[in-house]
Amino acid sequence: DAGVTQSPTHLIKTRGQQVTLRCSPKSGHDTVSWYQQALGQGPQFIFQYYEEEERQRGNFPDRFSGHQFPNYSSELNVNALLLGDSALYLCASSRSGGGGGYTFGSGTRLTVV
Amino acid sequence: DAKTTQPNSMESNEEEPVHLPCNHSTISGTDYIHWYRQLPSQGPEYVIHGLTSNVNNRMASLAIAEDRKSSTLILHRATLRDAAVYYCILRGPMFTTSGTYKYIFGTGTRLKVLA
Repeated sequence: DAGVTQSPTHLIKTRGQQVTLRCSPKSGHDTVSWYQQALGQGPQFIFQYYEEEERQRGNFPDRFSGHQFPNYSSELNVNALLLGDSALYLCASSRSGGGGGYTFGSGTRLTVV
Repeated sequence: DAKTTQPNSMESNEEEPVHLPCNHSTISGTDYIHWYRQLPSQGPEYVIHGLTSNVNNRMASLAIAEDRKSSTLILHRATLRDAAVYYCILRGPMFTTSGTYKYIFGTGTRLKVLA
């Protein structure tokens, strides 16, 4: 049983560009959360998607947006990239109402130059 | 969001027990205590969770103080593969409108296991 799959694994972008990161949740999971993890820090919550809508949002600017598709997969979009957006972006899936924990992917390492 | 406090780092000898503490003095009655760990170059993985009673699973044990203001993750016999950052997280109540919840991570405890 595949867990959470994220693509790409690594990415290098130039400041000012836009980027799209993708996530396929674990089978049976319908909720997707995105986290940003700077080097040496704990993951910071960006937002969470359920039933194709953003349900929760952390303290991130509108440059960060997302989408969830009918098959529960999700995308994270970041516009007007800044050097400070360089980080590991983690996707986590969970089952709504299940009371269980998250399953995390291995992340996408984004470097903005 | 309720916060947790953990030591930045700890060391343990291989094959010995490890007790990782966590303080959560502002915990509410419905907050679950979750522990995750993050191995190098990987995403966090679930370790254990509990509400009031102590919990055991194949990976670890979770001891929760009677007042719930602190908890301890116990690894019974540390191995080199247990070297990771361990996060203590309070998970708030489920939102009835969406059936979802979120986790707020702190900075965690970096566990070093010595051979």
